[in-house]
Amino acid sequence: DTEVTQTPKHLVMGMTNKKSLKCEQHMGHRAMYWYKQKAKKPPELMFVYSYEKLSINESVPSRFSPECPNSSLLNLHLHALQPEDSALYLCASSQESGNDSPLHFGNGTRLTVT
Amino acid sequence: AQKITQTQPGMFVQEKEAVTLDCTYDTSDPSYGLFWYKQPSSGEMIFLIYQGSYDQQNATEGRYSLNFQKARKSANLVISASQLGDSAMYFCAMREAFTGGGNKLTFGTGTQLKVEL
Repeated sequence: DTEVTQTPKHLVMGMTNKKSLKCEQHMGHRAMYWYKQKAKKPPELMFVYSYEKLSINESVPSRFSPECPNSSLLNLHLHALQPEDSALYLCASSQESGNDSPLHFGNGTRLTVT
Repeated sequence: AQKITQTQPGMFVQEKEAVTLDCTYDTSDPSYGLFWYKQPSSGEMIFLIYQGSYDQQNATEGRYSLNFQKARKSANLVISASQLGDSAMYFCAMREAFTGGGNKLTFGTGTQLKVEL
C-alpha cells in the first residue's frame, strides 16, 4: 500500500464546476508535489511545496490553485477547467532536500473534464 | 538544461530472463541523482532504485541493479529473473539542481516493458 493517499481516485467534472483533489502523507516529509500526467507520457511537474511554502510553480494556469494547509496535507483546487486538463494527477512527497531523497507517489486521481 | 533520454519505447522479455532498460542523461552539474520508477497500469509511480553521481558502486535493490557509466552518461536499469508482475512502464528520472526546497525531478519518456511466458 502506498504511504501517500490521494482522494478521490476518479473525478468527472464539468467545465463550470469547482472541485478539489486531496493528498495526505504521514511520513514526516516536508516537501510535497503535484504532477500532471497525460496518457502514455511522463509526469510533468506542476507545483512544489517546501515547509508548507510554495517553492515552484511551473507556469501552471490559474484555474489550478494549490494549497498546503499543513505539512501532511496538500490540496489542488480546480475551477473552470478545460477538456484538455483531463489527465492523471499525481501527488508526491519527499524529505525536504538531498540528492538521494526519492519522491513517494500516491495512486493518483484520474480527472475527466466534460 | 538537464535532459533525460529513454530510446526504447517498448521492450519484450521472457519470464525468468534478465532485461536492460536504457537511460542516458545530459547535465553540466557535477552533483546529481538518478532514479528509476515503475508505473503499472493502475497508475501509481513506484520508486525502484537510486544512483548518486558520486557513488563509487552501482546501486542494487533486490532484482534491480543500475549499470551506471558516468563517462558515457548512462544509467541503465537491469531487471534480473523477470516476472509477469514486472510488466509496466519504467521511467528514468534526474534530480535537477535548483535553489528552492524539495527535489525537482525530470522524467524520461519511459519504456513499456512486457514480460511474456
